[in-house]
Amino acid sequence: DADVTQTPRNRITKTGKRIMLECSQTKGHDRMYWYRQDPGLGLQLIYYSFDVKDINKGEISDGYSVSRQAQAKFSLSLESAIPNQTALYFCATSDPGDGYTFGSGTRLTVV
Amino acid sequence: GESVGLHLPTLSVQEGDNSIINCAYSNSASDYFIWYKQESGKGPQFIIDIRSNMDKRQGQRVTVLLNKTVKHLSLQIAATQPGDSAVYFCAETFSGGSNYKLTFGKGTLLTVNP
Repeated sequence: DADVTQTPRNRITKTGKRIMLECSQTKGHDRMYWYRQDPGLGLQLIYYSFDVKDINKGEISDGYSVSRQAQAKFSLSLESAIPNQTALYFCATSDPGDGYTFGSGTRLTVV
Repeated sequence: GESVGLHLPTLSVQEGDNSIINCAYSNSASDYFIWYKQESGKGPQFIIDIRSNMDKRQGQRVTVLLNKTVKHLSLQIAATQPGDSAVYFCAETFSGGSNYKLTFGKGTLLTVNP
């Protein structure tokens, strides 16, 4: 099993719909992150959580919300999806001072 | 704000050649740097890292060089293979603070021609 699992892998949704992307990890890491990747661009941080009670906005949090249900689970929600939220979304975990472990990504298309 | 950028967005090399991918960083407080490889349809994968108390670190076929004077980072891949074709990202952070977050560059697409 993968260390960081994202579901779904692919999703097409309509404008205005609410959608949730889920992430679970078996690394035992406290720190979890959600990133967005657009074609030709690097990873942009949406939200991050350093423990279950800690949630922080990243660079591009508008239009997104998150929930840290447990140490191992961190979900990302789009309350009302819009076409410019079409992108590849990555969840990651880390330990202090170490690199990140990424999930395989969720490709989201908003039509 | 602080940022990490790459000099070359694309790099095309012949199989067997050595590849060099460059990265400039602007946060002089950064003390930990990582290179990631992202293959098509997959998440970024850790390749190699280096801390600011080092100038060079070697892995299997990869070497990372850090020049703190000019805030420059490079990734060298020896005897490049078709399987090395991917997008490569550098990332930087200050590991001593409580707010440990990586800042990623835009990426360089490496294409290895057989």
